[in-house]
Amino acid sequence: AQKVTQAQTEISVVEKEDVTLDCVYETRDTTYYLFWYKQPPSGELVFLIRRNSFDEQNEISGRYSWNFQKSTSSFNFTITASQVVDSAVYFCALSEASLDSNYQLIWGAGTKLIIKP
Amino acid sequence: GAGVSQSPSNKVTEKGKDVELRCDPISGHTALYWYRQRLGQGLEFLIYFQGNSAPDKSGLPSDRFSAERTGESVSTLTIQRTQQEDSAVYLCASSLVRGGALAKNIQYFGAGTRLSVL
Repeated sequence: AQKVTQAQTEISVVEKEDVTLDCVYETRDTTYYLFWYKQPPSGELVFLIRRNSFDEQNEISGRYSWNFQKSTSSFNFTITASQVVDSAVYFCALSEASLDSNYQLIWGAGTKLIIKP
Repeated sequence: GAGVSQSPSNKVTEKGKDVELRCDPISGHTALYWYRQRLGQGLEFLIYFQGNSAPDKSGLPSDRFSAERTGESVSTLTIQRTQQEDSAVYLCASSLVRGGALAKNIQYFGAGTRLSVL
């Protein structure tokens, strides 16, 4: 069965610290997609990244970086030099590509990130 | 429009009343999703529309919940005889194409409708 686990319910760090949000997934499919979304206090979910299962190359976008490791079924998200504006709930999600999955997004429970000034 | 638009942004209703929530997807997006998010929790899938195909209603929690979509445009989520447990934020998302190796299956979300049932 497919599942996404974000074990960290809440993380609190001081501004400028680096922080890593963990995401562990379960799937039987060999083709799948992994996502990260950000939900700031305003409530609107913002798409951050999509990674397909055949691309294990890590990605960096400014202060954000993602570490995809199929061997451990993890897709962790690191924010370098965190800022107060990074405070939000972050969701990891999985989409399988098999015909009977309907490509539905399976969501983790989210990690609430608090950046203190 | 530029993004997914939902209305109203907030709705307060009395227990037992019916409510209707509206979602305007991004123009050209064929797939539309409704989710429910209870306070402090993750997203709960409700229903999905893809073009003219039959909707996937597998996430609807009871027969009090229903949704419609006309073609590839506006969708309405209706909750009949609301209960206090229906209080939540209802999120709508749309995507360009659902599925496929080259699919642009990224979901773009509206700001949600916060429903409070008194």
